[in-house]
Amino acid sequence: DTGVSQDPRHKITKRGQNVTFRCDPISEHNRLYWYRQTLGQGPEFLTYFQNEAQLEKSRLLSDRFSAERPKGSFSTLEIQRTEQGDSAMYLCASSPEGTVNEKLFFGSGTQLSVL
Amino acid sequence: EDKVVQSPLSLVVHEGDTVTLNCSYEVTNFRSLLWYKQEKKAPTFLFMLTSSGIEKKSGRLSSILDKKELFSILNITATQTGDSAIYLCAARYGKLTFGQGTILTVHP
Repeated sequence: DTGVSQDPRHKITKRGQNVTFRCDPISEHNRLYWYRQTLGQGPEFLTYFQNEAQLEKSRLLSDRFSAERPKGSFSTLEIQRTEQGDSAMYLCASSPEGTVNEKLFFGSGTQLSVL
Repeated sequence: EDKVVQSPLSLVVHEGDTVTLNCSYEVTNFRSLLWYKQEKKAPTFLFMLTSSGIEKKSGRLSSILDKKELFSILNITATQTGDSAIYLCAARYGKLTFGQGTILTVHP
């Protein structure tokens, strides 16, 4: 069990650029979640997958955000035309849904800074 | 809309004190209540509560859930400086909906 892995750990970009983050969940975890966290706030839900199916997407999420989990393993989160308000920590989590141990395990996050 | 509210938002105590952190929730089709500790980056799991009135304990930490009144508390006894962190409460149906967190600072 190597834990949830996120890449990169830090990303600095200029406003208007596109960025993509990757998340590798704990192997055999069928659910994968993306959250965003800003300073002083709890994690805010973005979207989640069961295997390759995207089950829910936050209504707060603009069309500039898209996430995929094409083979039900790793996932990518893309932000197009970044804005300064996108600066945040992006957290990925996975869970073994359908078991008694359905807690979410979090990765260390990707810290995005938009200049 | 699902909502989780934590109080207090911040707390400063001295080593040895006992603290109680509060969490109230309104989540459709509630399934479980989880507590996490966040020190630097990744939130780390503390407790998952699904039944009312059953206290869960781990060392100096304990937590209980009241599904009738829709709240949970997290107690930390004999606090240590290493307990300084953000404590997050989250209610679950499918996804987790988090509260704002309680920032706990324990001074020597």
